[in-house]
Amino acid sequence: QKEVEQNSGPLSVPEGAIASLNCTYSDRGSQSFFWYRQYSGKSPELIMFIYSNGDKEDGRFTAQLNKASQYVSLLIRDSQPSDSATYLCAVVSGTLTFGKGTMLLVSP
Amino acid sequence: NAGVMQNPRHLVRRRGQEARLRCSPMKGHSHVYWYRQLPEEGLKFMVYLQKENIIDESGMPKERFSAEFPKEGPSILRIQQVVRGDSAAYFCASSPNQDSTGELFFGEGSRLTVL
Repeated sequence: QKEVEQNSGPLSVPEGAIASLNCTYSDRGSQSFFWYRQYSGKSPELIMFIYSNGDKEDGRFTAQLNKASQYVSLLIRDSQPSDSATYLCAVVSGTLTFGKGTMLLVSP
Repeated sequence: NAGVMQNPRHLVRRRGQEARLRCSPMKGHSHVYWYRQLPEEGLKFMVYLQKENIIDESGMPKERFSAEFPKEGPSILRIQQVVRGDSAAYFCASSPNQDSTGELFFGEGSRLTVL
């Protein structure tokens, strides 16, 4: 069974700190990796995608991919209280397979 | 607003009744996906449809659940003879093409409660 694993958290960081969210996946053939953000009671929204090994930066967000280790991460710099949400890692294995998500809490 | 539209947003059914959830994809999108999210669980893929075709229904329970995406009108997820375990949030998502399988635009979800 193709799986995507995330620590459920919550991950608590103070405002202004770097939040590091991690994800591992089981399907070695996966080529596309995504991070979605889901606020409580709301729908998921895509915030980052990465296809190649290495880092990809977009504003305060950096996605990191290591296919050899089957590991994806998301760094959020200068964390804000508005970043408090559940972050879902997702991997294309045929269809898009989601992890259960990591809850991030950013305290003022 | 040309976003993904789902209705109803909230639906209450008694055990044994039928639930019908509707989804209109984003304008210009012809690919629709249905996911189910249980409390404390992740999003679970159910079915992937294009107009008039079911492409992948590997996540759909074999009984009581069906989905369609007709040539005209919204996609419909139908749950017959609902049970309490069907209580969940059902999210529809759309994409413009098959190459965008991971870049999905989600609707606000339909929250089904089975009494």
